[in-house]
Amino acid sequence: QKEVEQDPGPLSVPEGAIVSLNCTYSNSAFQYFMWYRQYSRKGPELLMYTYSSGNKEDGRFTAQVDKSSKYISLFIRDSQPSDSATYLCAMRNSNYQLIWGAGTKLIIKP
Amino acid sequence: DSGVTQTPKHLITATGQRVTLRCSPRSGDLSVYWYQQSLDQGLQFLIQYYNGEERAKGNILERFSAQQFPDLHSELNLSSLELGDSALYFCASSGAGTAAYEQYFGPGTRLTVT
Repeated sequence: QKEVEQDPGPLSVPEGAIVSLNCTYSNSAFQYFMWYRQYSRKGPELLMYTYSSGNKEDGRFTAQVDKSSKYISLFIRDSQPSDSATYLCAMRNSNYQLIWGAGTKLIIKP
Repeated sequence: DSGVTQTPKHLITATGQRVTLRCSPRSGDLSVYWYQQSLDQGLQFLIQYYNGEERAKGNILERFSAQQFPDLHSELNLSSLELGDSALYFCASSGAGTAAYEQYFGPGTRLTVT
């Protein structure tokens, strides 16, 4: 079993919809939780990070962490075709290493 | 632009050959990470260097090796190449301490082994 599980998708939604992307993890020692966005054949870029349980908002993006359930989410409001990309979750372990999810491919249909 | 540079952008070579990929981290970043991403696969962590020293190893094959030089640029050497080594190879860099979770990725080197 992988330490971080993420549905590879693809997830296809109409423009303007609210998107929910999720990851589950098994290691309770994970601390920082990150979401990266990767456009096709480009390097991933950091979108958001959170440290504790709760919500963190940045524009149309909201990151949510539930440590008790070992579950993190990224919500995208008013989704745009430019949001079409692969979204990777990553978590930092006690050795300061990032453990990555497989990535979810998101398609926003105009 | 992340500030991380990688060369070359594309590389086509034959099985059995050896190649070197180069990475220059963001100014001030001491850590360099190497990742492999095969078609439709997630990121596979290969190795990390911090200020010239190996810090962590992931799923790196014995045919692969890396180093970080005094000017902090890094090279990833891939030898006895096989068809299955065809992939995107990313370099990332980060600062020290808690900033280590915030990795900045380069544009990648696309390696094709024929």
